[in-house]
Amino acid sequence: GEDVEQSLFLSVREGDSSVINCTYTDSSSTYLYWYKQEPGAGLQLLTYIFSNMDMKQDQRLTVLLNKKDKHLSLRIADTQTGDSAIYFCAEGSVSGGYNKLIFGAGTRLAVHP
Amino acid sequence: EADIYQTPRYLVIGTGKKITLECSQTMGHDKMYWYQQDPGMELHLIHYSYGVNSTEKGDLSSESTVSRIRTEHFPLTLESARPSHTSQYLCASSEYSDTEAFFGQGTRLTVV
Repeated sequence: GEDVEQSLFLSVREGDSSVINCTYTDSSSTYLYWYKQEPGAGLQLLTYIFSNMDMKQDQRLTVLLNKKDKHLSLRIADTQTGDSAIYFCAEGSVSGGYNKLIFGAGTRLAVHP
Repeated sequence: EADIYQTPRYLVIGTGKKITLECSQTMGHDKMYWYQQDPGMELHLIHYSYGVNSTEKGDLSSESTVSRIRTEHFPLTLESARPSHTSQYLCASSEYSDTEAFFGQGTRLTVV
């Protein structure tokens, strides 16, 4: 079945770049998403990439997609303490008329001075 | 900012009680979803709805039930809560099947 895998923890120094990686299995995914969850809050969509794109850049965020290897990454440039959160990778496909989102377990990003 | 709200934010309740978790959105979205998230784990879809009077089971089996009498409202009910139901429940909505899903802040349920 569909599966999304991420590493669980990442620790970076403030000002450095963070790279969070994700692998997925469903080759029919139409969109791939990165969500951010801060403590005690719901999920907030950070960015997404359509499956026929290789790269998407949005300010400090860069998403790279290797569709052949089913590998997705999120790079955060100049990481700040406010970026500390859990980042969820999700693959989306339309199945039976609804947006089926399969989430990874989330990567906890810790930013230290 | 997303206009989707869940209440209560936190709930601690005894075994055997009936509970309803509320979810409302003011964006007029037809598609609504309930996800269950255990600590440190991925989200699992437990219910979804295409629109009014439409409800379907998700990928993860759940003893909860849902209803969709109004577009903006998608409550989840547990008839008899058990400790195994302890989890975080996240509600989401989307305009179309393949667009961004907006999430509520979640309800953290503890059954003692």
